[in-house]
Amino acid sequence: DGGITQSPKYLFRKEGQNVTLSCEQNLNHDAMYWYRQDPGQGLRLIYYSQIVNDFQKGDIAEGYSVSREKKESFPLTVTSAQKNPTAFYLCASSSYRDSNQPQHFGDGTRLSIL
Amino acid sequence: QKEVEQDPGPLSVPEGAIVSLNCTYSNSAFQYFMWYRQYSRKGPELLMYTYSSGNKEDGRFTAQVDKSSKYISLFIRDSQPSDSATYLCAMTRENYGQNFVFGPGTRLSVLP
Repeated sequence: DGGITQSPKYLFRKEGQNVTLSCEQNLNHDAMYWYRQDPGQGLRLIYYSQIVNDFQKGDIAEGYSVSREKKESFPLTVTSAQKNPTAFYLCASSSYRDSNQPQHFGDGTRLSIL
Repeated sequence: QKEVEQDPGPLSVPEGAIVSLNCTYSNSAFQYFMWYRQYSRKGPELLMYTYSSGNKEDGRFTAQVDKSSKYISLFIRDSQPSDSATYLCAMTRENYGQNFVFGPGTRLSVLP
């Protein structure tokens, strides 16, 4: 089945620790995105990547980092500089050629502070 | 003023009711409009995708766009308990890319 796999489902971070959230897609999509979802707020874009080895900051990139070494994979690192990391993190992907399916989402990773 | 506004709910309706979910927006450049359904602890799932003004129907769901009023709606007919979820509206100027703007979501409960 084609889709987006995020892992882990739940993650706990200690003070001063960096943690990495995994996102893998087998949809052959070019573009991948990371969003943060907080209660009562719309999804906010953290980073996005349109092609391998290239990525751009979104609206709330501070305290986060990404890499895009393979088309299928777009991991997000939440660094210790992110002072309020508790949120639900969603990874999405899209294809410029498939205009009827704008963005597919994974099932998210819930990050909490220990 | 937020770029996209959506009544957060929660909205509770009896099974079989017609549900109306709405979003208003301020940017007249938006041309593509989407509705996503999100179950608890899951990612959003695309329900409806429309371009410009007009109606689009898919089974029990109808999406309506009124660009002149900057207002979009999602109607659910014969609502079922399985429709209980949070519904997010989203919109963008172009049909791909990073410039999607999402509403905060409306939580819907359909009571048996």
